[in-house]
Amino acid sequence: AQSVAQPEDQVNVAEGNPLTVKCTYSVSGNPYLFWYVQYPNRGLQFLLKYITGDNLVKGSYGFEAEFNKSQTSFHLKKPSALVSDSALYFCAVRDGPTDSWGKLQFGAGTQVVVTP
Amino acid sequence: DSGVTQTPKHLITATGQRVTLRCSPRSGDLSVYWYQQSLDQGLQFLIQYYNGEERAKGNILERFSAQQFPDLHSELNLSSLELGDSALYFCASSEDRGNTEAFFGQGTRLTVV
Repeated sequence: AQSVAQPEDQVNVAEGNPLTVKCTYSVSGNPYLFWYVQYPNRGLQFLLKYITGDNLVKGSYGFEAEFNKSQTSFHLKKPSALVSDSALYFCAVRDGPTDSWGKLQFGAGTQVVVTP
Repeated sequence: DSGVTQTPKHLITATGQRVTLRCSPRSGDLSVYWYQQSLDQGLQFLIQYYNGEERAKGNILERFSAQQFPDLHSELNLSSLELGDSALYFCASSEDRGNTEAFFGQGTRLTVV
């Protein structure tokens, strides 16, 4: 069975500073990894994914994530945070080809607060 | 706009009642997923349909059921509702089975009183 851990309930960062949201995962096969963002009273919006290939994945709104197989991590990063990045961020994993029907397991979410 | 439409946006109902939540997936998407989001349980996968057939099942209660129709829209039926069923219910859709991202609707907020 797959699982995802987001060890921080909340991350606080000043505008203009780098932002990192941590995610570690556990799967039995090859992981398919995703990041989503949720703004208040909205659905989840897709940011980026790692399926295979280059370990550094670039996504929407200037976000990127690095897949690290040895550390089973997929941390989300942004070089310079904006106040508008304040939202709830979810990491999700699918157990690649062994769970090809697509069930996505989500982490508990990390609240990002960017202060001016 | 993700292209996934959920109705209604809000629903208030009494304990013991039955409700139906509706989801229209993005054009061309064959997979539909249902998730429940609550403060204490987080985002829980309920069930997935692919082209009309049930393909994966998560923590879905026996009081809950779902189906996907030939036009690919899906409905989630919740019966014998309890206070603890109050939550945000999301539908998501994707193109195929697994390696593509899912797109989420804005959710249905269910309040059971």
